[in-house]
Amino acid sequence: GENVEQHPSTLSVQEGDSAVIKCTYSDSASNYFPWYKQELGKGPQLIIDIRSNVGEKKDQRIAVTLNKTAKHFSLHITETQPEDSAVYFCAASRRTGGFKTIFGAGTRLFVKA
Amino acid sequence: GAVVSQHPSWVICKSGTSVKIECRSLDFQATTMFWYRQFPKQSLMLMATSNEGSKATYEQGVEKDKFLINHASLTLSTLTVTSAHPEDSSFYICSARKADYGYTFGSGTRLTVV
Repeated sequence: GENVEQHPSTLSVQEGDSAVIKCTYSDSASNYFPWYKQELGKGPQLIIDIRSNVGEKKDQRIAVTLNKTAKHFSLHITETQPEDSAVYFCAASRRTGGFKTIFGAGTRLFVKA
Repeated sequence: GAVVSQHPSWVICKSGTSVKIECRSLDFQATTMFWYRQFPKQSLMLMATSNEGSKATYEQGVEKDKFLINHASLTLSTLTVTSAHPEDSSFYICSARKADYGYTFGSGTRLTVV
């Protein structure tokens, strides 16, 4: 079945450094790739997304890249801050067929002050 | 924006009782909502897809008689955990999709069955 692999499972960086989280998906029909940030005890919040017709998207300190040929997409956070510490999930979904979304296993990001 | 409200945020119930969790789309209509379950330090597992006006679609391994889903209106889906047992204790999260906004998640409900 479809799956999304996410790496690393844990990432620790120094404040101000960059953090990169990578995901690989298996369903070639996937065309929408959101990233979510989840803080303890809360629901996931969408932080950025990218559609299959775009290779890169940036929003302030956050950027996402997509390589459809390789079925890879990545989240880049620059100038990390302690408040960036959370669990990040990537996901892949189709915009047809029920919009089923498959989530990666999550990356626990620690930003050390 | 696209806001999804989920209630309650936490609930404790006795084993054998039923618990209902509500998921509302506040500023948009959602013909489809999704229910997820999340265990500590794990990812979200899709339980079922809730379809307005029709039966929910359950993922493999999810008992439909155990987890009753009702999507009676375009802004409300409910998940009822029937005859709850301690192993049903988990974090339940709903989400809904608004066109051009992707998926928005509720704040989650932590269920503890004692």
